[in-house]
Amino acid sequence: GNSVTQMEGPVTLSEEAFLTINCTYTATGYPSLFWYVQYPGEGLQLLLKATKADDKGSNKGFEATYRKETTSFHLEKGSVQVSDSAVYFCALSGIQGAQKLVFGQGTRLTINP
Amino acid sequence: DAGVTQSPTHLIKTRGQQVTLRCSPKSGHDTVSWYQQALGQGPQFIFQYYEEEERQRGNFPDRFSGHQFPNYSSELNVNALLLGDSALYLCASSSTFGGRQRKTYEQYFGPGTRLTVT
Repeated sequence: GNSVTQMEGPVTLSEEAFLTINCTYTATGYPSLFWYVQYPGEGLQLLLKATKADDKGSNKGFEATYRKETTSFHLEKGSVQVSDSAVYFCALSGIQGAQKLVFGQGTRLTINP
Repeated sequence: DAGVTQSPTHLIKTRGQQVTLRCSPKSGHDTVSWYQQALGQGPQFIFQYYEEEERQRGNFPDRFSGHQFPNYSSELNVNALLLGDSALYLCASSSTFGGRQRKTYEQYFGPGTRLTVT
């Protein structure tokens, strides 16, 4: 079936460090890929998206490139801030026209000053 | 422009009881999806409503049911509550008709309802 696997957390970094959170997926067809962020006590916010192979989604300094050959959508940021501390979820949808989102297990990120 | 809203924010119920959660979609959206997020886990898809009908359903028992109203708002009902139903319940809205371009299936989430079953 369709699934998403994220790198296990928690991840702890110092401010201004480089961030990578790995995400790979298993799907038939051509899904859309997303990164969502969840701050403490809140719902999910869409961070970025990509709809086809080689698309790069970007927002707030975060980037992720849709790699069909490696079925990956890794999240990167060049210089993290304390305010980036949150849980990050990789997700896919659009398989066979279905709108439902399939999420990874989430990666908790903590940035220390 | 109001985003997705959910009520109540928190709810405490006893095992065996029934609960109703409510969701109002983002303006201009006609499709509502419900997700269950257990502590420390990613959200799991429960079902999706469009044109007042359940269009897709995840692997949840019949105790979970829903409804969509003509104004696109939605309710999630859970009967015979179990301790394992304790979770954050998230509502997400989206637009089914995205024009000629391939849809991105972008969903916007509400803040969630925290349900505790004791």
